[in-house]
Amino acid sequence: AQKITQTQPGMFVQEKEAVTLDCTYDTSDQSYGLFWYKQPSSGEMIFLIYQGSYDEQNATEGRYSLNFQKARKSANLVISASQLGDSAMYFCAMNPESNRLAFGKGNQVVVIP
Amino acid sequence: DTAVSQTPKYLVTQMGNDKSIKCEQNLGHDTMYWYKQDSKKFLKIMFSYNNKELIINETVPNRFSPKSPDKAHLNLHINSLELGDSAVYFCASSGTWEQFFGPGTRLTVL
Repeated sequence: AQKITQTQPGMFVQEKEAVTLDCTYDTSDQSYGLFWYKQPSSGEMIFLIYQGSYDEQNATEGRYSLNFQKARKSANLVISASQLGDSAMYFCAMNPESNRLAFGKGNQVVVIP
Repeated sequence: DTAVSQTPKYLVTQMGNDKSIKCEQNLGHDTMYWYKQDSKKFLKIMFSYNNKELIINETVPNRFSPKSPDKAHLNLHINSLELGDSAVYFCASSGTWEQFFGPGTRLTVL
């Protein structure tokens, strides 16, 4: 079974600064995908970024980048230039060949002006 | 255009009732899912359908019955609702790797 670990407690980050959210995973699958989702207080799940296990380059999407270290089984999310609207829960997830998403417990981020 | 839609957004009901949540996706995806998010925000898969066929059925009470009339729709019917069923239920769909979620249905059982 896959396991996703997000252990950081709630984080406060200053507006315009960068923040890194840690995610480690455990799987015996060779092919898998790693995802980050954002859940603001309004409740919807917003897809942010995806990294395939065979992708050699780290994924980037605007201010989001995924620091993928396959040997360490980590997939940290970096949010650059934080904005007030980035305040939310952030979930790391993994999608192995069976196609189901396994989620971590989430990180709460609060951006302060 | 909404990619994955769910109705209703809020559902408040008494214990013992039967209720349904509807989900529709207009992305042309073959696979659809139901996830449950509990009060501690933990998300867990319940069911997955591929082209109207059930492919994942996690350890979910058989009071929960998904139904997929076509590959664009996956509805969730819940019989004999219990207090512990209170949660947010998300529908999702996927093409190759990415999964897109509906807005969620907050179910409250009184």
